[in-house]
Order: sequence, then C-alpha cells, then structure tokens
Amino acid sequence: GESVGLHLPTLSVQEGDNSIINCAYSNSASDYFIWYKQESGKGPQFIIDIRSNMDKRQGQRVTVLLNKTVKHLSLQIAATQPGDSAVYFCAEPLRGYNKLIFGAGTRLAVHP
Amino acid sequence: DAGITQSPRHKVTETGTPVTLRCHQTENHRYMYWYRQDPGHGLRLIHYSYGVKDTDKGEVSDGYSVSRSKTEDFLLTLESATSSQTSVYFCAISAARESQPQHFGDGTRLSIL
Repeated sequence: GESVGLHLPTLSVQEGDNSIINCAYSNSASDYFIWYKQESGKGPQFIIDIRSNMDKRQGQRVTVLLNKTVKHLSLQIAATQPGDSAVYFCAEPLRGYNKLIFGAGTRLAVHP
Repeated sequence: DAGITQSPRHKVTETGTPVTLRCHQTENHRYMYWYRQDPGHGLRLIHYSYGVKDTDKGEVSDGYSVSRSKTEDFLLTLESATSSQTSVYFCAISAARESQPQHFGDGTRLSIL
C-alpha cells in the first residue's frame, strides 16, 4: 500500500550548520506533501507543504525539494538552531480518504 | 498557531471506566480528526468528521466513538477504557480534505491503569 518513510532515524548537526532531512514515498500519484515538526510534549506543527507541480518551495529558513522521478522529498533547514531540535515527519494525504500517511520521523539533534 | 484546544491535557483512569476527550477549535474548519500516537506506530487515525453530525471511522476505531454536535467541538469517547488505549491523543483540523494541511492540538496524555 501507499507509504511515506524516512531514510535516517536520527540526525545530529552543529548549531549554525544546514540540516537535510529526507523522505521517500511510494505512491507516484501523490500530489501533495507536508512537513511537520514535533517537539517533546507537543503536537505536530505544520512547517511547509508542496504540491507536485512544484520542485521546490521556500519558507523562512526552510526549503522543501520534491523529486518526483525518484519519489523523494527533502527538508532543508538553514543555519540550524537549538530550537530546531525536534522530530520531523513528512506526510501525504491518502487520495480518496480522510487520512494522512506519516513517515516514522527523523529526530534532529542540534549541538552547540 | 491554529486555534485548537484539547482537554484534559493529562488523565489517569482505571480500566473499565468511560473517558471523554474534547477538542475545541476556533478556526471554523470543516474537518476534524482524532489520532493516537504510540512508540513504534506513529500517528494513527481513530475517527474523523467532515461536518456537524458527519463522522466516519479511521484505521483504529475499535473501542472508540465520536460525536460532533457543533462545528467547533469534536468529542472522543472510550466507552470502557482498556490498558491498550493508554496513549497520547491528538486532535487535528483542516479546511479541506486533501489539499490543505492538518493542524494539530498539543495532545492529551491518557494513562489507563
């Protein structure tokens, strides 16, 4: 069935470096993707989304890249800060259903 | 932040007791969702609503019921709580089903002893 997964369970970076979090999806018909950030004790927080008619979308310090050829998403965080430490999920709506398919998540640890 | 309030934020109760969790939104969004989050399982959809009095089951609906009598409120009820329902429960809302993001509340941590 459709699935959205992540390549790396944990990513450690130095403060100030750029971070890249990856996500693979299996449904080639998917046309909308979302990135969430979840801090300890809180709910998933919407970061940025992208539609399949785009290859790249930028937000504040974040960029999402979509490669439909290899069914791959990435979230780039520029100048990573301690406040970026969290678990990051990619998600995809399952077409025809009221359901988001979430990846397992990548934990981002930012070290001073 | 999306105006979503979940109550209570924490609850400890005993097996066999009824439990009701409340989700309140101030965004006037049509769609509301209940998820549970467990280690090793991620977020799983319990029930969702696509309008007042319009609800449907998600992937893990057994043992749960929901009600939506007003646009702003979505209630999740465990009729007779079991230890397997110990989890963190999240409510989410969205303006559209597939083309808009879901926004989440901060969750209810429920422990059933």
